[in-house]
Order: sequence, then structure tokens, then C-alpha cells
Amino acid sequence: DTAVSQTPKYLVTQMGNDKSIKCEQNLGHDTMYWYKQDSKKFLKIMFSYNNKELIINETVPNRFSPKSPDKAHLNLHINSLELGDSAVYFCASSQDSQTGRDKFFGPGTRLTVL
Amino acid sequence: QKEVEQNSGPLSVPEGAIASLNCTYSDRGSQSFFWYRQYSGKSPELIMSIYSNGDKEDGRFTAQLNKASQYVSLLIRDSQPSDSATYLCARRAGGFKTIFGAGTRLFVKA
Repeated sequence: DTAVSQTPKYLVTQMGNDKSIKCEQNLGHDTMYWYKQDSKKFLKIMFSYNNKELIINETVPNRFSPKSPDKAHLNLHINSLELGDSAVYFCASSQDSQTGRDKFFGPGTRLTVL
Repeated sequence: QKEVEQNSGPLSVPEGAIASLNCTYSDRGSQSFFWYRQYSGKSPELIMSIYSNGDKEDGRFTAQLNKASQYVSLLIRDSQPSDSATYLCARRAGGFKTIFGAGTRLFVKA
């Protein structure tokens, strides 16, 4: 069974649209993350939730809004999509977030903004 | 200044050789370091964690940490074509954050 799942896997959309990416983990982890990986493969954290509480909110445009309905789910909503938002977005989870052990990544969502 | 620096490569080694991947970091207070492997089109996968100075071995992989010199390395012995991937070095920053390097691409030639 997939430990961290994301939907959709691919997302192609026009500039200005609003889209959402969903993430679920069945590992019982307390902490979930959203990372963005650009075309140069640089992986950068965007948000982190611990037990449904937002604990990391990096310098990300406020067009990006994460939501965690429960500790197994972390969704990412993006308003007014721009060309520069094209990237692969990875969801991840971990149990021992203070030490960073065993961070599991989802398969990624490749977002292409036309 | 990037927080975690890696040579982007590509690093090319023949099958059976030792691949040596290096990483430096800027924050002297860092305590926890990680190596992730990412195959093309796939998600990063944690392969090694290291917290103390010295070497840590796991199968064909050895992670080395030198906090005084602020570098971390990963050695892959008996390299196989299946080891061809991008290797991401990462460190635990304050709180819940992990900072990643840009990764080193490794090619193992059969």
C-alpha cells in the first residue's frame, strides 16, 4: 500500500486558474509537508503542519494556501496560477519531526501552467 | 549563500568503482544530516541519516560527517548502474525544517 499518496499526478492548466492538490498519508505520522522542486531539481520547503497546526510557512506567495482537515491529510490550493508555478510539488510526512528521521515523500504532482 | 552546497555533476563512475559524493553546509549548529536518492521522475527516498562525527555504514553506503569542517559525504562501494540517480544532501534546520542541496547527478557506467 502506498504510504504517502498525492492526486493528481499530473496537472496541466492555464494561467489564472485555481487548482488543488491533495495528499494523504497512512503512516500515522504527526507532521506533513509540502515541497516544491523546480526545473533545476532544487527541493524547497513551502509549508509544514504538525497535528493539523501550521508550523512552517516559508516565503510563499499568499496565492498558495495549505489546509489540513486532519493529521492524515494535507491539501494545497493555488489561486491565480502563474507560469512560474510550474514545478513538481511533493507532499511528505514524518513522525519524529524534530530529528527529521524517516521523511517519506509522495510520488509528486507535476504542475504545468500554460 | 546557499545553505547546503553540492556539486551538481554529473559524476560518472564505472561499474564496481567507489562513488564519492560531497556536501558542505554553512550552519555550524546543524546536528542532523541526511542523504536522499532521487531517480528521474520519482520522489526522493531517504537512504542515510547521520548525526555524529565519523562514519556510518549501511550495506554499500557509508556516510561521513565532519562537523569541524562542515562537510558530509556519501560513499557508494561497488557502484551499480541501478545507483544512477540524483543524490540530495540535506540538513535539519531549526524546528521542523529540512534544508536540501540541489543534488549531485551520478551515472554508473556498465
